[in-house]
Amino acid sequence: GAGVSQSPSNKVTEKGKDVELRCDPISGHTALYWYRQSLGQGLEFLIYFQGNSAPDKSGLPSDRFSAERTGGSVSTLTIQRTQQEDSAVYLCASSLSPGAFYEQYFGPGTRLTVT
Amino acid sequence: DAKTTQPTSMDCAEGRAANLPCNHSTISGNEYVYWYRQIHSQGPQYIIHGLKNNETNEMASLIITEDRKSSTLILPHATLRDTAVYYCIVRVAVQNFVFGPGTRLSVLP
Repeated sequence: GAGVSQSPSNKVTEKGKDVELRCDPISGHTALYWYRQSLGQGLEFLIYFQGNSAPDKSGLPSDRFSAERTGGSVSTLTIQRTQQEDSAVYLCASSLSPGAFYEQYFGPGTRLTVT
Repeated sequence: DAKTTQPTSMDCAEGRAANLPCNHSTISGNEYVYWYRQIHSQGPQYIIHGLKNNETNEMASLIITEDRKSSTLILPHATLRDTAVYYCIVRVAVQNFVFGPGTRLSVLP
């Protein structure tokens, strides 16, 4: 079946520009997560959506980062005024429900390069 | 969430069982043990998880010690495509899904 998809797969942008990254979760999954992975590093949690509840934004590194999830499905992560330190792979994951019992399925990621 | 420690790297001959250990001595009673792997340039892939009983699925087996302070992921017949970084994670909080450096498994022909 269809897994988590993300677009674009690669994005190169100039410092100071805004970028939007898209995530399509697995159909029926109510929980959606955004992470980022810098070169050679582990995953860093960014934000978490569960149904219609207010998102957990505790991992967002600055107010330049924001995310939306429309209709409980597709999510967009927006980075404003990009900086070189924003360069990373941005990963989206979804799970059937939140909580430790349910495994998260990851998308292939978007590789963002800020020049 | 509890911290985990894993060997930095391991080699395994193709067709043999790969046994990947993980220590999680500070695990609490309601934390699950998860295993993910990440093949180069791909997103993490879920393998298996468990609480206290041993688990088996089509990909692997998970053996958790009785005191739950360590676990072993077993790939029964490793193939070249199993070469990846394997992450052991213990978690209860939904947001604290933190991957450490993991074990780099190299399956050798």
